[in-house]
Amino acid sequence: EVQLVESGGGLVQPGGSLRLSCAASGFAFNTYWMNWVRQGPGKGLVWVSRINSGGSSTNYADSVKGRFTISRDNAKNTLYLQMNSLRAEDTAVYYCARGSFSEGFRYWGQGSLVTVSS
Amino acid sequence: QSVLTQPPSVSAAPGQKVTISCSGSSSNIENYSVSWYQQLPGTAPKLLIYEDNKRPSGIPDRFSGSKSGTSATLGITGLQTGDEADYYCGTWDTSLSGGVFGGGTKLTVL
Repeated sequence: EVQLVESGGGLVQPGGSLRLSCAASGFAFNTYWMNWVRQGPGKGLVWVSRINSGGSSTNYADSVKGRFTISRDNAKNTLYLQMNSLRAEDTAVYYCARGSFSEGFRYWGQGSLVTVSS
Repeated sequence: QSVLTQPPSVSAAPGQKVTISCSGSSSNIENYSVSWYQQLPGTAPKLLIYEDNKRPSGIPDRFSGSKSGTSATLGITGLQTGDEADYYCGTWDTSLSGGVFGGGTKLTVL
């Protein structure tokens, strides 16, 4: 059974940092693109970042470029999102999702809530 | 404001058919595959359609997808109360070098 389990969310002050993790199981993690997608309170889905299967290629939404870093450890079957210089507008549930837009994000985690507030 | 434009809401009676549009441009929909997602309240999104018109296993054929030019459409027939949810289209955008989702459409089954 494919499972994606996020962790690392919580309350952080503006300007602070947080690292999200997404533990994958039930599939060959090292063969899939992985993504982070977020959803602000009462808002729609927003794509945040993606990383290729080997970790050598990454892309970011303009809103997080230069502040967030996506990475993966294929030996640990884990995806990460390092979030720095956090702002109130980064408050959201963060989902990890497997795949590409063409093949569709077939599997999603349960989400991890990040709240940026003083 | 989303790069992909969806109607904020649609509604129809049980058993009827509804379509949800997703309008983009040549930098996204026209040249990249579109996927569609259903999100029930308080849950993670669920993939309904990929590669414009393909259904993953387990998705009933009441759900269909199509694309023409810079627009894509999700169709749902035989509406059920359980279909009440938010629906999102998504694709890649070459100008942004990033993924994009529509703003979402809330489906109400009256």
